[in-house]
Amino acid sequence: SQQGEEDPQALSIQEGENATMNCSYKTSINNLQWYRQNSGRGLVHLILIRSNEREKHSGRLRVTLDTSKKSSSLLITASRAADTASYFCATGETSGSRLTFGEGTQLTVNP
Amino acid sequence: DTAVSQTPKYLVTQMGNDKSIKCEQNLGHDTMYWYKQDSKKFLKIMFSYNNKELIINETVPNRFSPKSPDKAHLNLHINSLELGDSAVYFCASSQDPALGTQYFGPGTRLLVL
Repeated sequence: SQQGEEDPQALSIQEGENATMNCSYKTSINNLQWYRQNSGRGLVHLILIRSNEREKHSGRLRVTLDTSKKSSSLLITASRAADTASYFCATGETSGSRLTFGEGTQLTVNP
Repeated sequence: DTAVSQTPKYLVTQMGNDKSIKCEQNLGHDTMYWYKQDSKKFLKIMFSYNNKELIINETVPNRFSPKSPDKAHLNLHINSLELGDSAVYFCASSQDPALGTQYFGPGTRLLVL
C-alpha cells in the first residue's frame, strides 16, 4: 500500500497567497522529503527533513514534521505562478533502502 | 551539463514489441533507480541498483529487465510490450541508497498501441 497520502489532491490559489500541502505516512521513517514536478518534467528535490527535526525552512518553503502524528506539511509563502506544479512527499523508511512517494498535490497558482 | 539523462524522451510502439530505455548519470552516484509513473501521477519504484548490484526488485513482470553495465548507467529493457505498460518511466540516482536525495531524469513517455 502507498506509504504517503497527501491532501489536498488539488489546490488552486491566487498569486501572493500561501499554499499548504499535507502528507501522512504509516511507518517509521528516517527522513521525509518534498519534491516538485512541473508538467512533463522529472521530479526536483525541494527539501529534506530528518526524523529528529520538527521544522525546516528553505527560501519561501517551510516544512514541518510531526512524527507522533506521522504527518508533514509543506507551506509555500507568497506563491507565484511559477510555483504551479505537482508536489510530492517521499518517506525514507527506517527498514528499507528506498523512498516511497505520496500521491501528490496538484498546485495551481493563478496570476 | 545534464545530471541524469534518459533516452529516448518519447517512445511509441506496437504491442508485442521489445524496447529499451537508457539512463546515464554524471553525478558520480552509487545508486540508480527506475520508477514508473502512471496516468494518475502515481510514482512507483521498480528497480534499484547500487554499484551495479540489484538491491530493489519490486513486483514487476519479468518482461522488465534492468541492466547496469557500470555505475553511471542503468538501462531498462521491456519485452513483449503490453497496453498497460504505457506510462512515464523515470530514472533517478542518489549517493545514499538508504534514503538520500534523489535526482531524477526528464522521463521517457512510453505509449503502447
